[in-house]
Amino acid sequence: QKEVEQDPGPLSVPEGAIVSLNCTYSNSAFQYFMWYRQYSRKGPELLMYTYSSGNKEDGRFTAQVDKSSKYISLFIRDSQPSDSATYLCAMSVYAGANNLFFGTGTRLTVIP
Amino acid sequence: GAVVSQHPSWVICKSGTSVKIECRSLDFQATTMFWYRQFPKQSLMLMATSNEGSKATYEQGVEKDKFLINHASLTLSTLTVTSAHPEDSSFYICSARSPQGKPEAFFGQGTRLTVV
Repeated sequence: QKEVEQDPGPLSVPEGAIVSLNCTYSNSAFQYFMWYRQYSRKGPELLMYTYSSGNKEDGRFTAQVDKSSKYISLFIRDSQPSDSATYLCAMSVYAGANNLFFGTGTRLTVIP
Repeated sequence: GAVVSQHPSWVICKSGTSVKIECRSLDFQATTMFWYRQFPKQSLMLMATSNEGSKATYEQGVEKDKFLINHASLTLSTLTVTSAHPEDSSFYICSARSPQGKPEAFFGQGTRLTVV
């Protein structure tokens, strides 16, 4: 079993829709959770970072962590064509841990 | 956020030649950097951890003699693909962890390597 599971999609939604992206994980020791956005042929860029359980909101993006279920989500409100990208979740046990564990990424297309 | 710059963004080389990719942390010092490889429609695969002033740590299955990593300063790590072959064609990405001990990683722009 992989440490982090993520549905690769692809996921297509109309412009303005609410998008829900999810990851599950098996290591209950993970405490730090991140979402990255990667445009085609570019390096990933950090979108959101949360610690432990709870919600975090930044503009149209909301990250949720449910440690009891080992499940994290990223919600995108009022989705835009510019949101079309691959979204990767990542997590680590320690803040200073050397490595992050990544999901496979979900490819999202927002149709105008 | 911190800035990591990777160069070149794309390179085409002949089979049998070597290619060097640079990864620089522009506004912070990175004692540790990471090199990933990414195939189309797949996630990041960690190749090695680059440690300033010491030998890199390679993941299982990654040939250390083929993928030479040098981390000579606190702001620069290089990955050299030696005797490149077409199967080495891929997207290579470096990253560095956030300073101040935070868990986020910041990524370079990636390098598209095509070996012909």
